[in-house]
Amino acid sequence: SQELEQSPQSLIVQEGKNLTINCTSSKTLYGLYWYKQKYGEGLIFLMMLQKGGEEKSHEKITAKLDEKKQQSSLHITASQPSHAGIYLCGAEGYFGTGTSLTVIP
Amino acid sequence: DAMVIQNPRYQVTQFGKPVTLSCSQTLNHNVMYWYQQKSSQAPKLLFHYYDKDFNNEADTPDNFQSRRPNTSFCFLDIRSPGLGDAAMYLCATSRDRRGDEQYFGPGTRLTVT
Repeated sequence: SQELEQSPQSLIVQEGKNLTINCTSSKTLYGLYWYKQKYGEGLIFLMMLQKGGEEKSHEKITAKLDEKKQQSSLHITASQPSHAGIYLCGAEGYFGTGTSLTVIP
Repeated sequence: DAMVIQNPRYQVTQFGKPVTLSCSQTLNHNVMYWYQQKSSQAPKLLFHYYDKDFNNEADTPDNFQSRRPNTSFCFLDIRSPGLGDAAMYLCATSRDRRGDEQYFGPGTRLTVT
């Protein structure tokens, strides 16, 4: 099965700061998804990456898939309290270990 | 418009009393998944259906069963819930393949008393 390791496990940042979350796979990734989850709620799709070297952006969130397709990063620019939540990478139905983000106003 | 619907949103059951959680979808997707998510943990895949083909994860306890009577509906049956089965249960769908984008329901929070 697919194993996805995320780092860091948790992150506390001041509003306005940039941050990066990493996701490392035990196997080559043929499709990598990023989701956000607020406590007690379902998952919200953020982005999908399929090609090595691919980079996608939506508002202040940018995600990349490295050339070897075994690692992805999610970068948030100028973080806001609305960015707070748990970020999960996913592939082939499996999820990473999750990163809990807190943004302090 | 809700695309993946889970009922009920909150379910309380007694220790050892069978319980069924339901999921329906309006997307006509081939693949449906059930996940268990405990507090502060990532969702854990229990099983998935590719059309009528059932695929169980190796470490899913026998206490958990599933039924998919048609494309739109999928059920999670917990035969004898234990206290350790209290969790959020998430249903998801994807269009054609397991690697496709997943659409999630809001989840059912199960409490076992």
